[in-house]
Amino acid sequence: GDSVTQMEGPVTLSEEAFLTINCTYTATGYPSLFWYVQYPGEGLQLLLKATKADDKGSNKGFEATYRKETTSFHLEKGSVQVSDSAVYFCALSSGNTPLVFGKGTRLSVIA
Amino acid sequence: DTAVSQTPKYLVTQMGNDKSIKCEQNLGHDTMYWYKQDSKKFLKIMFSYNNKELIINETVPNRFSPKSPDKAHLNLHINSLELGDSAVYFCASSQGGPYSNQPQHFGDGTRLSIL
Repeated sequence: GDSVTQMEGPVTLSEEAFLTINCTYTATGYPSLFWYVQYPGEGLQLLLKATKADDKGSNKGFEATYRKETTSFHLEKGSVQVSDSAVYFCALSSGNTPLVFGKGTRLSVIA
Repeated sequence: DTAVSQTPKYLVTQMGNDKSIKCEQNLGHDTMYWYKQDSKKFLKIMFSYNNKELIINETVPNRFSPKSPDKAHLNLHINSLELGDSAVYFCASSQGGPYSNQPQHFGDGTRLSIL
């Protein structure tokens, strides 16, 4: 079945460091890909999405590119802030299954 | 103007009790969901309703019974609570069905603790 694998955390970075959180997927068909973010004590919020190969989703300085050849959708940010500390979830929707989430990656940014 | 609101935010109760969690969305979405998030943050879908009709029921014990009186509300009733039910329960909604590529909007969660 469809699945998402993302790097295990926690990830701890200093402010202004470069962030990469890896995400790869397995899916039948052509899935849409998402990154959701969960701040402490809150629900998940959509961060960005991409619906077809080579699409780049971006929001709040975060970017991810849909790479069909490597079945990946890695999340990147050039300069993280303390306020980016959260849990990040990669997810896919393929039309065959409901939204499938990865296990989440906790990011801690220290000043 | 909260988009997806669920109550209560915290629920502490004894094993064996029955409890309900309520969810309402004001986004005009057709589809609503219940998810369970465990202590390791793993998120698992439990149920999905589309226009008040049950679409997804993911191997959940029948002690859990969702009810959707209208498409803006999806409540979750849990009978005979067990220790393993301790988790954070999230309600969500989306436009289109559960198999569409429309993003989901989540409530802030209900933290259920069983003593």
